[in-house]
Amino acid sequence: LAKTTQPISMDSYEGQEVNITCSHNNIATNDYITWYQQFPSQGPRFIIQGYKTKVTNEVASLFIPADRKSSTLSLPRVSLSDTAVYYCLVVPRGGGGSTLGRLYFGRGTQLTVWP
Amino acid sequence: DGGITQSPKYLFRKEGQNVTLSCEQNLNHDAMYWYRQDPGQGLRLIYYSQIVNDFQKGDIAEGYSVSREKKESFPLTVTSAQKNPTAFYLCASSIRATGETQYFGPGTRLLVL
Repeated sequence: LAKTTQPISMDSYEGQEVNITCSHNNIATNDYITWYQQFPSQGPRFIIQGYKTKVTNEVASLFIPADRKSSTLSLPRVSLSDTAVYYCLVVPRGGGGSTLGRLYFGRGTQLTVWP
Repeated sequence: DGGITQSPKYLFRKEGQNVTLSCEQNLNHDAMYWYRQDPGQGLRLIYYSQIVNDFQKGDIAEGYSVSREKKESFPLTVTSAQKNPTAFYLCASSIRATGETQYFGPGTRLLVL
């Protein structure tokens, strides 16, 4: 199961764009890149998922280069309420066997947004 | 209003006592999961279930037990064999156990007296 590497913490100010980069050098062909957000004392919440190039939704954008060994979560114009831990996961889709249920949530990136 | 619920929000356990954490979902999901989170750490998988009457051990199953008698319910029992149970416990569900998005409950914080 491909693991990921991301910065432990980042700081930003309100209104700025934040980019969090994640490395996943051992990503497999059927793996998708998925990001979750977690506020203190709450369960994680799905933000965005992608396979290649660029994916955008109402919350964030996800950029994935051609080699797929890294990805970047982009949060436009952050606010104080975006202060949270962000997890980058590599998720095998449609597979079976020992990878079932095996989502690896590392320590994530603690994003702190300042006024 | 569809979702996944956990109860209680806080739970206190005495030494040598078994306690059960509740997890219910009305999303009609086949797969359910239990995770443990320690302060400043990521989530670690305890058990997961792909379908009713079936469940598999995760990475840290020792000292825990589960059942899946109904599709909607996946209770977790923390037994006296779990020597360090103090943690934040999260239940999640997904349509299937093949990489789909997992939806998490609000969590139960377990403290040992």
